[in-house]
Amino acid sequence: ETGVTQSPTHLIKTRGQQVTLRCSSQSGHNTVSWYQQALGQGPQFIFQYYREEENGRGNFPPRFSGLQFPNYSSELNVNALELDDSALYLCASSFERGAEQYFGPGTRLTVT
Amino acid sequence: DQQVKQNSPSLSVQEGRISILNCDYTNSMFDYFLWYKKYPAEGPTFLISISSIKDKNEDGRFTVFLNKSAKHLSLHIVPSQPGDSAVYFCAASRHTGNQFYFGTGTSLTVIP
Repeated sequence: ETGVTQSPTHLIKTRGQQVTLRCSSQSGHNTVSWYQQALGQGPQFIFQYYREEENGRGNFPPRFSGLQFPNYSSELNVNALELDDSALYLCASSFERGAEQYFGPGTRLTVT
Repeated sequence: DQQVKQNSPSLSVQEGRISILNCDYTNSMFDYFLWYKKYPAEGPTFLISISSIKDKNEDGRFTVFLNKSAKHLSLHIVPSQPGDSAVYFCAASRHTGNQFYFGTGTSLTVIP
C-alpha cells in the first residue's frame, strides 16, 4: 500500500510568483485535504477535494486554488505569493471524506 | 480565532509514567475529535479519535477522554515510552470528514 506523497520537498520562491504543489493520495483514497502549517502553529485547513470537486474551504483567499485529478491526486496552486505564505504545506487523503486522514510529509515553501 | 487550544507547548515525563496531554475547544458544534502524533520531517500520524456520543475511547496504551460540558479532551498515554516523544496535535470537526481545526501542538519528551 503506497502512502501519501508530496512534491517537491522544499521550494524557495520570490514574492509575487506563483507556485504549484503536488500530492498523490494513498491507494484507494478519493478525498484530499490541504493544510498550511506556519511555524509554531497547528495545521490550518485550506480546502478539501472529493471526487474531483471542492468539498469545503477554510479561511484562505482565492489566490489559493486547487485541483483534483481522476486518479485522485491533487494540486495546490498559490498565486501572487506573499511572505506570510512561507509555511509547511500538508496534504492528507482519506476514503469517502472519512475523518481518518493520512498525511504526507509536507512541502516546505519559503517566500523571499 | 483559535477554536482548538493546547495550552501546554511542552511536557516532559519519565519513562513508564503516565503522560496527560490536554486540549480545549470553544465551538460547541464540534462532534468529532482526533489526536495526531508528529515526528520531525514527517506528516502527522493519526493516533486515536472520539465521537461526541462517547466520553472515553481506548486503544492500547492510549486513551482519550472527552468532557463535553467543559469542552475539554485529554489524551492519556500509559506507560509512556521514549518512542512516544513527538509533537501531539488535537483536532476537532463539526462532522466527520470535513474541515478539521487543529490545536498548536504539545511537544512530549519521554525521558528514559
